Amino acid sequence: GNSVTQMEGPVTLSEEAFLTINCTYTATGYPSLFWYVQYPGEGLQLLLKATKADDKGSNKGFEATYRKETTSFHLEKGSVQVSDSAVYFCALNNAGNMLTFGGGTRLMVKP
Amino acid sequence: EAGVTQSPTHLIKTRGQQATLRCSPISGHTSVYWYQQALGLGLQFLLWYDEGEERNRGNFPPRFSGRQFPNYSSELNVNALELEDSALYLCASSPRTVWGGNQPQHFGGGTRLSIL
Repeated sequence: GNSVTQMEGPVTLSEEAFLTINCTYTATGYPSLFWYVQYPGEGLQLLLKATKADDKGSNKGFEATYRKETTSFHLEKGSVQVSDSAVYFCALNNAGNMLTFGGGTRLMVKP
Repeated sequence: EAGVTQSPTHLIKTRGQQATLRCSPISGHTSVYWYQQALGLGLQFLLWYDEGEERNRGNFPPRFSGRQFPNYSSELNVNALELEDSALYLCASSPRTVWGGNQPQHFGGGTRLSIL
């Protein structure tokens, strides 16, 4: 079956630090990959996506590259801000259009 | 453009009652999805509706059911509520998509269901 594994949090960084949140997946076929972000008390917001191998998704300074050889989709940002504090979810969409989510990684950015 | 809207924001019920949660998709989207975000269990897929039909169902008992209306809005019904049904229920929508499609799903703010 499908599964997504994310690094456990919380991840605590100082403002302007470099961010990496690891995500690896197990799936048959060729899933689409997504990163979603959840701010406190809110629903999920789509952050970025990639639909095939070697695709790079990017948005708001965040990037992730679909690596089929390592089954990974790590999220990176060069300089985090306090406003980036949230929970980040890696997800895949395979047959059946059901998103399979990782457990989420809480990011805390201190001024 | 209005996003996915869900109502109510909060819902408090007691064990054995029924709950109805509502979702309006983004204009032009015909697919609606429901997910449960329970503490300690993460986000789990519940249901997918498209063009008024149930297309896929997650590993939930039959007391979780729903429907999609001609205007593509959707209801999620949970019968015989149990304490473990307490969770945030998220609705998402996407443009019409087929089995195995890669359309991103856009989420609403959720309904927090609390069972006393």
